[in-house]
Amino acid sequence: DAEITQSPRHKITETGRQVTLACHQTWNHNNMFWYRQDLGHGLRLIHYSYGVQDTNKGEVSDGYSVSRSNTEDLPLTLESAASSQTSVYFCASSESVTTEAFFGQGTRLTVV
Amino acid sequence: DQQVKQNSPSLSVQEGRISILNCDYTNSMFDYFLWYKKYPAEGPTFLISISSIKDKNEDGRFTVFLNKSAKHLSLHIVPSQPGDSAVYFCAASVTGSQGNLIFGKGTKLSVKP
Repeated sequence: DAEITQSPRHKITETGRQVTLACHQTWNHNNMFWYRQDLGHGLRLIHYSYGVQDTNKGEVSDGYSVSRSNTEDLPLTLESAASSQTSVYFCASSESVTTEAFFGQGTRLTVV
Repeated sequence: DQQVKQNSPSLSVQEGRISILNCDYTNSMFDYFLWYKKYPAEGPTFLISISSIKDKNEDGRFTVFLNKSAKHLSLHIVPSQPGDSAVYFCAASVTGSQGNLIFGKGTKLSVKP
């Protein structure tokens, strides 16, 4: 079965370190997204991509970057982790504008 | 500025009764709306959607109503079951933006046996 997987599921890192969260989907979807979920804020869009070599900034993109070198993967990089980036991160993908997005299981990141 | 608002952080309902979750939006360009359900420690899962050309969409126990003039949508769950207890997120998009979903903050539904 096609799926979307995130790794790691849990990560603890130190302030200032570079961290990369992986996202891999096997649906061959063009659209991929990264969200963060925080109490009182719901799901906020960090970055998104509509295809290979395409990346776009979302609502809360400062301190994050993504790259899209193939259809299946959209890794999210925190260039210099900050305590404010402690959150649960969700990756998602969708086939088109009128179909639903499928979400991964999430990565809980703690920056100490 | 929140474009999608879920003003009720929580809702408690008795098993077998109707659950009504509400969502308001401010961007008149939104033309596609979705509801997601999220259990703890899991990713959100798609529940039901509605296009702006419709005012109602039904799928089993779940019905979504859209009132474009009021910029309001609601999710009705009838009858509610304990397994429906979860956080429900409303989301909206402009189809011309290629599926960029904007989410509300969520409503935590508790269905009491």
